[in-house]
Amino acid sequence: QVTLKESGPALVKPTQTLTLTCTFSGFSLSTRGMRVSWIRQPPGKALEWLARIDWDDDKFYSTSLKTRLTISKDTSKNQVVLTMTNMDPVDTATYYCARMASSSGWYMDIWGQGTMVTVSS
Amino acid sequence: QSVLTQPPSVSAAPGQKVTISCSGSTSNIGNNYVSWYQQLPGTAPKLLIYDNNKRPSGIPDRFSGSKSGTSATLGITGLQTGDEADYYCGTWDSSLTAHWVFGGGTKLTVL
Repeated sequence: QVTLKESGPALVKPTQTLTLTCTFSGFSLSTRGMRVSWIRQPPGKALEWLARIDWDDDKFYSTSLKTRLTISKDTSKNQVVLTMTNMDPVDTATYYCARMASSSGWYMDIWGQGTMVTVSS
Repeated sequence: QSVLTQPPSVSAAPGQKVTISCSGSTSNIGNNYVSWYQQLPGTAPKLLIYDNNKRPSGIPDRFSGSKSGTSATLGITGLQTGDEADYYCGTWDSSLTAHWVFGGGTKLTVL
């Protein structure tokens, strides 16, 4: 059974750096074709994709947030870490990680429950 | 503002059929496969459709997907009150800086 779970601080101050960890089980990110993405959702708003990391350490980022994001993986711990610098109140959102599977195309087949992050002084 | 365009809301009566559109461009829907996600209130999104028209195990055949050119459509037949949710389309965008894109989401109300 594949599961993912996000963890990190519930509250961060403006200008601080946010570090979120996605801990997963049921698959290995060292297996060819495996990928994990981070997605966020501000309260009452739409999903926004943030970043993706692949089994071969290839990385992709949101065009608008690229300069603030870093995604990395620790295969031995089955974890993917996302850091976002210079946090602002508009970054208040629920942050999800999801496994990206592939068939003909790519898709997010299993999602974590999400973790709510509030940015406030 | 989302790269993929969806209607903000749709509604229909129980038992009826509804379709949700998702419009993009050649860099995303036109050249990549589309997936659809259902988000029930207060929960994480769940995969409904992948590869334009395939259903994961456990998703009833009341849900269907199609794609034509730079647009995709989600269809739901035999509407149930439990289908009330937000629905999102998504796909890879193969532009200069490759990235994933979602639609703005559609709120389905079952009257």
